[in-house]
Amino acid sequence: NAGVTQTPKFQVLKTGQSMTLQCAQDMNHNSMYWYRQDPGMGLRLIYYSASEGTTDKGEVPNGYNVSRLNKREFSLRLESAAPSQTSVYFCASRYGVSSYNEQFFGPGTRLTVL
Amino acid sequence: DQQVKQNSPSLSVQEGRISILNCDYTNSMFDYFLWYKKYPAEGPTFLISISSIKDKNEDGRFTVFLNKSAKHLSLHIVPSQPGDSAVYFCAASERNTDKLIFGTGTRLQVFP
Repeated sequence: NAGVTQTPKFQVLKTGQSMTLQCAQDMNHNSMYWYRQDPGMGLRLIYYSASEGTTDKGEVPNGYNVSRLNKREFSLRLESAAPSQTSVYFCASRYGVSSYNEQFFGPGTRLTVL
Repeated sequence: DQQVKQNSPSLSVQEGRISILNCDYTNSMFDYFLWYKKYPAEGPTFLISISSIKDKNEDGRFTVFLNKSAKHLSLHIVPSQPGDSAVYFCAASERNTDKLIFGTGTRLQVFP
């Protein structure tokens, strides 16, 4: 099992460019999440998907869109990147049937917007 | 309004001694709490959890204590090892929701 995989690992964008961060999990999990981590801010939830076909906003959704392509894949899109979106992005998944289970995280994508 | 708070950004402990990491929360609806460990350039990994019906959960060198009346939990690592040097995040979940709320993290350094 690869667990949660993310591509790319690193990306540099210019302001106004667009890109999609890819995430896939092979654990048959129902729920998937996108977080960003910034110094002194912890992990903040951008969007999540409780099941295939559903998505919901998290704490910091502005400037992002998501697609739950199928049960395995959950992508995060930046339509017009801004320097404030420079961050490390983590995807996570969870079985989701019960509240009492943990999330599993991918290795992260380090994004710099110039 | 931060619902999960880790007020100590960093902690330095000698190898073999106890490390105590603290976490406070404000939402009385939280019923499940987790600790994650994060090394540089890696994703967070689950360490230990506790549900609100318990006040202690132990797994090897790691023990989590929950004080519901004080809305406080702590992670004890005994004995601390250099490999425990990492950032530790506290997280909380509310019943029947699909989200975790994370604290800002505490960087633990264990020195020889």
